[in-house]
This record gives sequence, structure tokens and C-alpha cells, in this order.
Amino acid sequence: AQSVTQLDSQVPVFEEAPVELRCNYSSSVSVYLFWYVQYPNQGLQLLLKYLSGSTLVKGINGFEAEFNKSQTSFHLRKPSVHISDTAEYFCAVSGKGSARQLTFGSGTQLTVLP
Amino acid sequence: DSGVTQTPKHLITATGQRVTLRCSPRSGDLSVYWYQQSLDQGLQFLIQYYNGEERAKGNILERFSAQQFPDLHSELNLSSLELGDSALYFCASSVVSSTDTQYFGPGTRLTVL
Repeated sequence: AQSVTQLDSQVPVFEEAPVELRCNYSSSVSVYLFWYVQYPNQGLQLLLKYLSGSTLVKGINGFEAEFNKSQTSFHLRKPSVHISDTAEYFCAVSGKGSARQLTFGSGTQLTVLP
Repeated sequence: DSGVTQTPKHLITATGQRVTLRCSPRSGDLSVYWYQQSLDQGLQFLIQYYNGEERAKGNILERFSAQQFPDLHSELNLSSLELGDSALYFCASSVVSSTDTQYFGPGTRLTVL
């Protein structure tokens, strides 16, 4: 079984400031890691994913995340946020077997202030 | 636009009723997943179908069932509805391989009164 913990339910940040959204996971097997974003009244959109290889993963909209196996973390970062980044962000894991279902964290609401 | 379509967008119904939610995956995608998003439970996986066969089951209630048809669209049936079933129901699809991205539809918002 897998679980995901997003340590901050709400993160307010000023425009053009850097931001880090934290994610820790627990699993007895190797996993794939994902970050999804949900804008108001919309579905989830993939920001980035870690499958293997380099632990620093770059995604869309200037976001990146670093996989840390020893810390079992996959924190999301952006060096300079925009008002349009205001949304809910979900960290998720999936197993590597034949079933690919995602286990999500509880989400972090990022609010970018002018 | 992810290419995954869900109908209807909104559904309001009464307790005890039965509803059907429909999902059309992206062209070429063989796998369909259903997720429930509610305020108290967050985003939870319900069930996965691959090319018409059930592949995995999550926290899906016995009152809920799903199927995937030969044209690969899927339906989620919710019966004997309770107030607590009010939620956003998402469908996602992926191609087939182990590293495929799941693409999410816009969701169906179900309100049970």
C-alpha cells in the first residue's frame, strides 16, 4: 500500500517570489511520482512526473521537482510564481505493476498574492 | 483540453436514486480510471478498466459499479444514492504502458439532496 502526505494545506506567496510545495510518500515498493494541478472548476492537469533517471524533473509552466529516495520526498518548486499559478496542487504516486491507479495526497492550495 | 470527455457536467438528484456517469477516453487510450473527489475524503481511486476488463479496484462501494464498452467508453453507475455520495467524479484515461500519463476529464459534479 502507498500513502502520500502533503505537509501544507495552504501556501500563500507573493507574486514573483519562489515557492516550494512539500510532498512525502510511503510505499513498500518502488513507485512513480507525479504532481498534478487543478484550476477552479477544472480537471487535473499533469505538471511533471518522475519515472527513473535524473532526480531533478522539469515540468510545464516553469515548475520542477526533486526526487529524494532517502527522504522519500518529491517537493515541487518554482523560482518565481505568477498570479495565474493560483490553484490546488496534488502530489500522487503509482505502483509499477499492471495496475496504475494513482494515490493522491490531500492537496495544497497555492494562492499567489499581488 | 485533455481529450477526455465526461457527461453530464452537473447532476442533481435525490437520495435513493440511481445515476449513470459517462466517460469517453482519449482516442487510442485503452485504460479508463474513475476517481471520486470529496471534501472529507479527498481524491480517491475507485476502479480501473483496461480494454473492457476490470483491472483494479479501489475504495468503491458495493452500490457503485462500472463497465467499459467495446468502443472503450466507460460508465459509472451509482445506486441507492446517499447524501455522502455528493462529490466530483473524474474519469482519466491512459494508453497502456507502465509509464503512461493519466489524462483527466473535467469531471461530473454530483449533488444528492
